[in-house]
Amino acid sequence: AQTVTQSQPEMSVQEAETVTLSCTYDTSESDYYLFWYKQPPSRQMILVIRQEAYKQQNATENRFSVNFQKAAKSFSLKISDSQLGDAAMYFCAYRSAPYGGSQGNLIFGKGTKLSVKP
Amino acid sequence: DADVTQTPRNRITKTGKRIMLECSQTKGHDRMYWYRQDPGLGLRLIYYSFDVKDINKGEISDGYSVSRQAQAKFSLSLESAIPNQTALYFCATSDLGLAGGADTQYFGPGTRLTVL
Repeated sequence: AQTVTQSQPEMSVQEAETVTLSCTYDTSESDYYLFWYKQPPSRQMILVIRQEAYKQQNATENRFSVNFQKAAKSFSLKISDSQLGDAAMYFCAYRSAPYGGSQGNLIFGKGTKLSVKP
Repeated sequence: DADVTQTPRNRITKTGKRIMLECSQTKGHDRMYWYRQDPGLGLRLIYYSFDVKDINKGEISDGYSVSRQAQAKFSLSLESAIPNQTALYFCATSDLGLAGGADTQYFGPGTRLTVL
C-alpha cells in the first residue's frame, strides 16, 4: 500500500522569505500523481499544485513550485516570497494512475502547519 | 455559489443518534468522495462513488453508510453515532480528467461533527 509522510509537523517562515515543505512517499507503482493542498483556518481544502510522475519538469504555480525527485520518492513544496495569507496546514497527497489498486483515491500525509511571521 | 456544498456546516449530536451529512455539487462531476479529518491524522477516505450505481468502501467505512441520490448528491450517514466519530468531514468531487489522467479532487467546505 502507498504511504505519504510529511516529517515536519510545523514550520515557520518570515514574510517575504522562502520556505520548503517536505514530503516523501512510498509506492511500487511507476505512474502516479502528487498533489499539495492548503487548508487555511477557514478549513477549506484548496489545491495548490499537482505533478504527474511521468513528467520530468517540476510543476510551478506562481509563487509555488515543487522539487519532484522520483527516484528518491520525494515531493517538496517551495513557497517563495511568503505572504501572511500562506499561513495554513499543507497536505501532500498521492494518487495512483491511471486507476490502480486505490481506484484513484487520494492518500494524504498528516500535514505541516506553516506559520508566517510579519 | 460554491461548486461543492455541504450541509450542515456544524453539528452537535448525542451518542446513538442517527445523523446524515449531505453533499451537493454543481461541477457536473461523476465521482464523489467522503473523507474524515482528525487532528494529526490528515484526511482518510470513508466511501467513494464513481457514478450513481457504483459505490465503494474506503479505508475507514465501518460505522458509516452512504447514498448517491443523483449525480450531484452524495450523503453520508452515521447510523448510531459514537464519540470517536467526532471529526471534520469533507466531501469531494472529481472527473476523469484528460484521457483518464490526473483528475483533481475539489473539496467542499467541510462539516464539523461533534458526538457527545
